[in-house]
Amino acid sequence: NAGVTQTPKFQVLKTGQSMTLQCAQDMNHEYMSWYRQDPGMGLRLIHYSVGAGITDQGEVPNGYNVSRSTTEDFPLRLLSAAPSQTSVYFCASSRGLAFEQYFGPGTRLTVT
Amino acid sequence: KQEVTQIPAALSVPEGENLVLNCSFTDSAIYNLQWFRQDPGKGLTSLLLIQSSQREQTSGRLNASLDKSSGRSTLYIAASQPGDSATYLCAVGSSTPLVFGKGTRLSVIA
Repeated sequence: NAGVTQTPKFQVLKTGQSMTLQCAQDMNHEYMSWYRQDPGMGLRLIHYSVGAGITDQGEVPNGYNVSRSTTEDFPLRLLSAAPSQTSVYFCASSRGLAFEQYFGPGTRLTVT
Repeated sequence: KQEVTQIPAALSVPEGENLVLNCSFTDSAIYNLQWFRQDPGKGLTSLLLIQSSQREQTSGRLNASLDKSSGRSTLYIAASQPGDSATYLCAVGSSTPLVFGKGTRLSVIA
């Protein structure tokens, strides 16, 4: 039981490049979400999903795209990376909003 | 919009001291409140989860309380140790996934 896994651990992109951050969970959780963590700002919700085929926006969705085709996977796509997207990205999953959230180890992204 | 505030932002205490970290939130319509620990450059470790119907939860030297009506939670750490040095994050769960405070950075001095 691996829990929540994220790849890659580190990534450097140039402005304008696109990439996908991967998130997978093996706990059969319906709810999955993406957060970004910036110094002095805490963790902020980007997008979340309440089940396969259903996604919604969080507090800071601009510049990011998500889809959820399976229960296990919830990738986060950066369509055209900007320096403002330099951050640490965390994925989380849970059985539901009233249950404990489990976090992945994070992806540290730098956009130059 | 839910807002979560943690006070103090930073705290330095001598080893062995008991301490309290504070968390407040603006909307009392919550499902639960979760306390996390984060070491520098690392991920989040869940410490305690309190459901909205509960008043407190305990795990070892940690005790978290919840007063939903006043929008407050406290994390009590007994007999602090240098290994407790980390940032402690409070997060509130409601109709959307967690809303986080900015954390309290704790240093326990040997």
